[in-house]
Amino acid sequence: SQQGEEDPQALSIQEGENATMNCSYKTSINNLQWYRQNSGRGLVHLILIRSNEREKHSGRLRVTLDTSKKSSSLLITASRAADTASYFCATIKAAGNKLTFGGGTRVLVKP
Amino acid sequence: NAGVMQNPRHLVRRRGQEARLRCSPMKGHSHVYWYRQLPEEGLKFMVYLQKENIIDESGMPKERFSAEFPKEGPSILRIQQVVRGDSAAYFCASSLKNPGQGDEKLFFGSGTQLSVL
Repeated sequence: SQQGEEDPQALSIQEGENATMNCSYKTSINNLQWYRQNSGRGLVHLILIRSNEREKHSGRLRVTLDTSKKSSSLLITASRAADTASYFCATIKAAGNKLTFGGGTRVLVKP
Repeated sequence: NAGVMQNPRHLVRRRGQEARLRCSPMKGHSHVYWYRQLPEEGLKFMVYLQKENIIDESGMPKERFSAEFPKEGPSILRIQQVVRGDSAAYFCASSLKNPGQGDEKLFFGSGTQLSVL
C-alpha cells in the first residue's frame, strides 16, 4: 500500500475558486512535501512542511499537517487556469532515505 | 545552471531489446533517484544511488533491471529484454544531500517515455 494517499483523485473547479486536496500517510515522517506535475512533464517541488510544523504558506499555497491524524492538506487559493496539473504529496519516513509519493490529485481549473 | 537532464525523451523498443535511459543530475548533486510512472498514477520508487554506490534498490525488479551512477558521466537505468509491461514514464531526480538529512527536496527531469512494441 502507498505511504501517501491523496484525496480526491480528481477535482474540477472554476477559475477564482479555491482548491483543497488531502493526503494521508501511514508511518512517522521527517517531513511532508507537495509537488506539482504538468501533463507530460517532471515534478516540481512546491512546498515542504516539517513534522514539527502545523501550517505553512507560500504565495497562494497553504499547507497544513496533522501528525496525530497522519494527514496533510494543500489549499490553492484564487485558482487560475494555469494551476491545472496533478498534485502529489510525498513523505520521507523517520530515518528513511527516499521520498514516497501518493497517487496524486488531478486538478482542472476551468477558465 | 541546467536542471536534471534526461535522454532520450521518448524511446521505442521491441520486445526482447534493451533500453538504456540516461540521467544527468543537477550540477553539484551526487544523489540520484529513479522513479517509474504509469498513466494516471503516482510515482513508484525504483532505486536511489549516490556516486558509484547503490544505496537503496528496494523498488527495482531483481531481474532485467539495473542501475548505475559512475564517477564520471550520467546515471544509467538499464532494462534488458524489455516486455510490454515495461512501458511507462521513467523519471530521474537528484538532490544535494540525502533527503533524510533535513529539508532536502528533489529536482526532477522531464522523464523518458518508454514504449515497448
